[in-house]
Amino acid sequence: GAGVSQSPRYKVTKRGQDVTLRCDPISSHATLYWYQQALGQGPEFLTYFNYEAQPDKSGLPSDRFSAERPEGSISTLTIQRTEQRDSAMYRCASSLGAGPYNEQFFGPGTRLTVL
Amino acid sequence: QQPVQSPQAVILREGEDAVINCSSSKALYSVHWYRQKHGEAPVFLMILLKGGEQKGHDKISASFNEKKQQSSLYLTASQLSYSGTYFCSTGGGNKLTFGTGTQLKVEL
Repeated sequence: GAGVSQSPRYKVTKRGQDVTLRCDPISSHATLYWYQQALGQGPEFLTYFNYEAQPDKSGLPSDRFSAERPEGSISTLTIQRTEQRDSAMYRCASSLGAGPYNEQFFGPGTRLTVL
Repeated sequence: QQPVQSPQAVILREGEDAVINCSSSKALYSVHWYRQKHGEAPVFLMILLKGGEQKGHDKISASFNEKKQQSSLYLTASQLSYSGTYFCSTGGGNKLTFGTGTQLKVEL
């Protein structure tokens, strides 16, 4: 697509429920990143994919968080047994390739609220 | 560790200049600068790759001193559209670490 898209834009859930967030990157982009952004803070790295490979999961806060990109295109981020502290903006970004030399294009984000 | 930016916030009148600094405690291989307007996604401004490198983009330019582990963003003759939060981000491997952010507001 023309830009990075994410869905849903807003998600309200109750504590203990599972949620799945979706990211559709720019079509020519091999690399996809997931970030968590708290209000007033910069994005914080969660994980990234090179095509379907997931070389770095070091930013995932706990084993309740998982991400997939099975066909090297669309990606999902799943949070199991949500907790109130999971409330944040979740942003996806994509770039042509991996490495710190490529600009990242960010999506509009999914605002997650856990009640 | 997160890069530290200064100042935390700045208010300018249209046409004034500003400098935003970014310091890292780790060795820097690259520095990215992004601007994020309220309620929107961060937007890429520029990447600096080499020590001492300077880049320009319209009236926004930046420098990168890898020895000092610092980068600075220069905004010249600021416009209302420059308002937003500016983040530096430093690359190590395939992961960006975003700085503490600088809120910039340009007023008439």
